Amino acid sequence: GNSVTQMEGPVTLSEEAFLTINCTYTATGYPSLFWYVQYPGEGLQLLLKATKADDKGSNKGFEATYRKETTSFHLEKGSVQVSDSAVYFCALIGSGGSYIPTFGRGTSLIVHP
Amino acid sequence: DAEITQSPRHKITETGRQVTLACHQTWNHNNMFWYRQDLGHGLRLIHYSYGVQDTNKGEVSDGYSVSRSNTEDLPLTLESAASSQTSVYFCASSGSGRGFNEQFFGPGTRLTVL
Repeated sequence: GNSVTQMEGPVTLSEEAFLTINCTYTATGYPSLFWYVQYPGEGLQLLLKATKADDKGSNKGFEATYRKETTSFHLEKGSVQVSDSAVYFCALIGSGGSYIPTFGRGTSLIVHP
Repeated sequence: DAEITQSPRHKITETGRQVTLACHQTWNHNNMFWYRQDLGHGLRLIHYSYGVQDTNKGEVSDGYSVSRSNTEDLPLTLESAASSQTSVYFCASSGSGRGFNEQFFGPGTRLTVL
């Protein structure tokens, strides 16, 4: 079956630091890959996505590249802000016709001023 | 703007009572989902629906039921609430087709069963 593995958190950074949150996956075929963000007290919201190998998703300064050869979709941001403090979820939807995503366990990011 | 809403946002109930959580979306999505989120367990799928009159069990469906009588709504019913069902519940919807299947989540309902 499909699976998503994210780095354990929390990740604690100072403002303007570089961020990487690792995500690797196991899936057959060519899944679609997603990063969602959850701010305190809210539901998840889509941050970015990629649907084929070598695609780069980007939004709000965050980027992730679909790496088929390493089955990875690492999230990066060059300079984090306090407002980026949230929980980040990596997810995939397989290419077999199901619309049910497989989510990682989530990584908490804490950014200090 | 299209949205997905949940009600109530907070609910306190007693063990053994029936509880219904509402979910309404105006995206005109065929696919709707219910999750629960608990510390240490991440997101777990309870039930899902791919269209009107279609419902399916997820990984933690025991004690829960759903019905889909129209495109917009997927209410979640706890038949006889238990303390183990204290959790935050999220509804989500998605479109169909590759590139359009990201999920849109509601704001969540925090349910406490005493």
